[in-house]
Amino acid sequence: DTAVSQTPKYLVTQMGNDKSIKCEQNLGHDTMYWYKQDSKKFLKIMFSYNNKELIINETVPNRFSPKSPDKAHLNLHINSLELGDSAVYFCASSLPAGDTQYFGPGTRLTVL
Amino acid sequence: DQQVKQNSPSLSVQEGRISILNCDYTNSMFDYFLWYKKYPAEGPTFLISISSIKDKNEDGRFTVFLNKSAKHLSLHIVPSQPGDSAVYFCAASAPGTASKLTFGTGTRLQVTL
Repeated sequence: DTAVSQTPKYLVTQMGNDKSIKCEQNLGHDTMYWYKQDSKKFLKIMFSYNNKELIINETVPNRFSPKSPDKAHLNLHINSLELGDSAVYFCASSLPAGDTQYFGPGTRLTVL
Repeated sequence: DQQVKQNSPSLSVQEGRISILNCDYTNSMFDYFLWYKKYPAEGPTFLISISSIKDKNEDGRFTVFLNKSAKHLSLHIVPSQPGDSAVYFCAASAPGTASKLTFGTGTRLQVTL
């Protein structure tokens, strides 16, 4: 029974397209996150939501828009995809601030 | 500006021996530190953590040591097992940052037979 799940696992698309990645957690956590792991394997936070409210918004192009329909879901929509967006995107969740984060399996996005 | 650094990209250790993974940080506001383990094509998995009020935390074969004055932490795995072969990430957070974790770039551990 997967705790944090992401779909799709792999996503290959052309430059300029718009795509979404979905994340769901069944842990009952209030806080969810999106991380990007680039080609240098550097894992960096992008966004965090607590109970559907945005609480962390790092320096990310506004082509990236997170959406949290409820506290169990945090989706990531990316407009006008660029080559540099190619990376592995991880979703994570935790209980409120300070607790351990649990990660999903990642979505490998390749922009051609 | 990389605030959490893992200067050894890889480490090879024989089965049964001790593995020591190191992590340095520059932000003196960090007060909570974690180690995550990652297998290929999977997400990072929480391993062990330590608060800045402690200098050691142990969980089975895993022990994390924190040296605040040196801004250094280390993860000891003893005895090392082949299943420990993975990439290990060090992460840190500061109070009032809404659980924002800053990760190091990881150390790939290979435990050989």
